[in-house]
Amino acid sequence: DAGITQSPRHKVTETGTPVTLRCHQTENHRYMYWYRQDPGHGLRLIHYSYGVKDTDKGEVSDGYSVSRSKTEDFLLTLESATSSQTSVYFCAITEVIGANYYGYTFGSGTRLTVV
Amino acid sequence: KQEVTQIPAALSVPEGENLVLNCSFTDSAIYNLQWFRQDPGKGLTSLLLIQSSQREQTSGRLNASLDKSSGRSTLYIAASQPGDSATYLCAVPHSNYQLIWGAGTKLIIKP
Repeated sequence: DAGITQSPRHKVTETGTPVTLRCHQTENHRYMYWYRQDPGHGLRLIHYSYGVKDTDKGEVSDGYSVSRSKTEDFLLTLESATSSQTSVYFCAITEVIGANYYGYTFGSGTRLTVV
Repeated sequence: KQEVTQIPAALSVPEGENLVLNCSFTDSAIYNLQWFRQDPGKGLTSLLLIQSSQREQTSGRLNASLDKSSGRSTLYIAASQPGDSATYLCAVPHSNYQLIWGAGTKLIIKP
């Protein structure tokens, strides 16, 4: 795709364990976002980043943390996974330079199952 | 507060028909509007991005229009094909370019 990859693609984990999902981009975009998608809820923003070490919470941030130590990587950590965090997780990137807005590009998603 | 609505929620049409999907927004002060498609079990693919200064964008059989004054965007699909079956989503950005999403239109094209 347009230089954004998510890993792993699928993961099954046990309740109570920490889990880290990775989003890697090669576009040098400042803005990165983590979403979850569940039936009946659409896409909900978890956390986002507007630069290295600059992050903020979205609408469903409880139980999640993020880190961005370099432009290309945005990590999402489930501190202690619960069954309610079973979901499909999408990463997205965008950039704005002057008046030019590049639009969103999404990764292929990570399907996480917490058992 | 910006709200984005998509009508209809679902649409089923025979192959070959031209069709229009609608997206409305409550705050006309938008930077741009983006249309996506999502196939079942897959990720989101960007279809068209319309900047606020533009009135329409075209890509192949797809044409998206934007009318900020009326708070509407339409996605026109010409000569629909079974491969067009998917959920179509529109979204507008707000602070820090976070997207406000419509709930989507699920499109089924019958062979």
